[in-house]
Amino acid sequence: AQSVTQPDIHITVSEGASLELRCNYSYGATPYLFWYVQSPGQGLQLLLKYFSGDTLVQGIKGFEAEFKRSQSSFNLRKPSVHWSDAAEYFCAVGPGGSQGNLIFGKGTKLSVKP
Amino acid sequence: EPEVTQTPSHQVTQMGQEVILRCVPISNHLYFYWYRQILGQKVEFLVSFYNNEISEKSEIFDDQFSVERPDGSNFTLKIRSTKLEDSAMYFCASRFLAGGPETQYFGPGTRLLVL
Repeated sequence: AQSVTQPDIHITVSEGASLELRCNYSYGATPYLFWYVQSPGQGLQLLLKYFSGDTLVQGIKGFEAEFKRSQSSFNLRKPSVHWSDAAEYFCAVGPGGSQGNLIFGKGTKLSVKP
Repeated sequence: EPEVTQTPSHQVTQMGQEVILRCVPISNHLYFYWYRQILGQKVEFLVSFYNNEISEKSEIFDDQFSVERPDGSNFTLKIRSTKLEDSAMYFCASRFLAGGPETQYFGPGTRLLVL
């Protein structure tokens, strides 16, 4: 069955520290992979996506993610976290069906310490 | 930048009441989606909609749910007789094309609380 696992429910990092959010997926074929971020009161904003080519993808706000087929992972990274990065982060895989719906993980809440 | 909007942001209702959640997708988009997230759980797909009809739905989307595009801009989700377990955040999304890795754009969500 298709699924996405984000093993960390809540992560706290200090401002300026590096960040890695984990995402593992189960999918029968080559998936399209996405990371979305949700700030309080906001919608889900796309950070980055992967569908083919270079396995290291760059996104907005200084985020990057690496697709590792052998590990079925698509971990999100940022070298230096800013206080404004505090939010909830969702990994998603698609298509979940013929009309392109997405399959999400449970999300990881990021808190940033000053 | 164009965005998906949703109203209301919060809704409280009594069990058994009907609710209508409204969404305005991005204007040139053709495919529309509803997802929900029960507190502490995953964001789950409910239904996709194209060309004025449902194109795909999940097992969650039973007869209590319906969707409609009543005019050229709104996309609504109706729950006919709400249950306690319908309490969740409901997200609307839209995209221009269905296939491939094209981005789905999400609205800010409507938080529904059924008492």
